[in-house]
Amino acid sequence: GQNIDQPTEMTATEGAIVQINCTYQTSGFNGLFWYQQHAGEAPTFLSYNVLDGLEEKGRFSSFLSRSKGYSYLLLKELQMKDSASYLCAAPSGNTPLVFGKGTRLSVIA
Amino acid sequence: DTAVSQTPKYLVTQMGNDKSIKCEQNLGHDTMYWYKQDSKKFLKIMFSYNNKELIINETVPNRFSPKSPDKAHLNLHINSLELGDSAVYFCASSRKKPSGGVVYTQYFGPGTRLTVL
Repeated sequence: GQNIDQPTEMTATEGAIVQINCTYQTSGFNGLFWYQQHAGEAPTFLSYNVLDGLEEKGRFSSFLSRSKGYSYLLLKELQMKDSASYLCAAPSGNTPLVFGKGTRLSVIA
Repeated sequence: DTAVSQTPKYLVTQMGNDKSIKCEQNLGHDTMYWYKQDSKKFLKIMFSYNNKELIINETVPNRFSPKSPDKAHLNLHINSLELGDSAVYFCASSRKKPSGGVVYTQYFGPGTRLTVL
């Protein structure tokens, strides 16, 4: 089967660090994606992890543990513009991408 | 430069009508997709085409018919629209289709918000 779980909503303060978790169960494993989606806009690619460990890209980092079926997205030095939905997604079986329901992050002053 | 574009951006129509959404990508990608994002923001794949050939059809009613005239275009035609078809429809493309454990990042168009009255 396939299932991707992430929290529905999170709130964090400007300048802080926030970690958005994702657990997944997929048919086979071929990596895990994170996308950002601002309200009314398209999802945009943030990261792709296929090996265990942390990958850093500026203020955003993504972590993967294949043995635990777990990933997180870490956002540092939060800015108001980071308020968006963050979508965890992974290929599963013949489906190129199965998405989680997204985590809506609100950054407050 | 627009990478994946869709028209129209908004579409408001009556139940029972037939409508089309167009998608074009200028990335030189081989594979294109249609996704539906419902009111709860859940994004779900509908179709995938690779080099004009249908490769994925995910339990979508046959009122939905995708057409790919060439690998840069993937259009979606919807017959006999129903209230439940109201959603945002996203087109996406990737360099190739997943194969042999290799996957490719998908790039999304701006979406078409369809409202059926």
